[in-house]
Amino acid sequence: DSGVTQTPKHLITATGQRVTLRCSPRSGDLSVYWYQQSLDQGLQFLIQYYNGEERAKGNILERFSAQQFPDLHSELNLSSLELGDSALYFCASSVGLAGAAGGRTQYFGPGTRLTVL
Amino acid sequence: GIQVEQSPPDLILQEGANSTLRCNFSDSVNNLQWFHQNPWGQLINLFYIPSGTKQNGRLSATTVATERYSLLYISSSQTTDSGVYFCAVGLNAGNNRKLIWGLGTSLAVNP
Repeated sequence: DSGVTQTPKHLITATGQRVTLRCSPRSGDLSVYWYQQSLDQGLQFLIQYYNGEERAKGNILERFSAQQFPDLHSELNLSSLELGDSALYFCASSVGLAGAAGGRTQYFGPGTRLTVL
Repeated sequence: GIQVEQSPPDLILQEGANSTLRCNFSDSVNNLQWFHQNPWGQLINLFYIPSGTKQNGRLSATTVATERYSLLYISSSQTTDSGVYFCAVGLNAGNNRKLIWGLGTSLAVNP
């Protein structure tokens, strides 16, 4: 168990809908990262927050947004969902920033499997 | 735990030059990715390459998993290639999934 929790585990919804994925980082970790993993693909980096502030952005669609709250949990909001948004969404956390000594190891949650019908 | 070493730490190129960035890792992994962070902080996936060779335009990558290294080739470099290149490796193993990042290679391409 990595200490990173994600809810829900599974989510099935229809096109055009909006969903919110939740992530609680490991105790003491300030950085939260969101990744999308489609079938047989690597991890697509979406966005990173550090202590409540957005620090790095990847190929995140404008229909997606995220935030990190004062208690350091994070939410990823996906709106106007399309069939192609079906994927595993992972949250990871680390002590510091990616590339910095404290942030080099990211611990992943179990993921949320999103299915858009 | 798995160690990830990237070299060189810094690189300065003249536009049009070619370069090779290296990532060594200390243990078997089943996930290796290269990312590029541009000077504006945007972090983009380049390759998902736990083994083999892939090419995307002027960039290509090779991972030799048995020898625990990966190479990123940049040909005919352009100023827009500037930024930091990160290698990240990990194990996609159940509840212990991790991604371990190298410190990066900082690349500056001069016109």
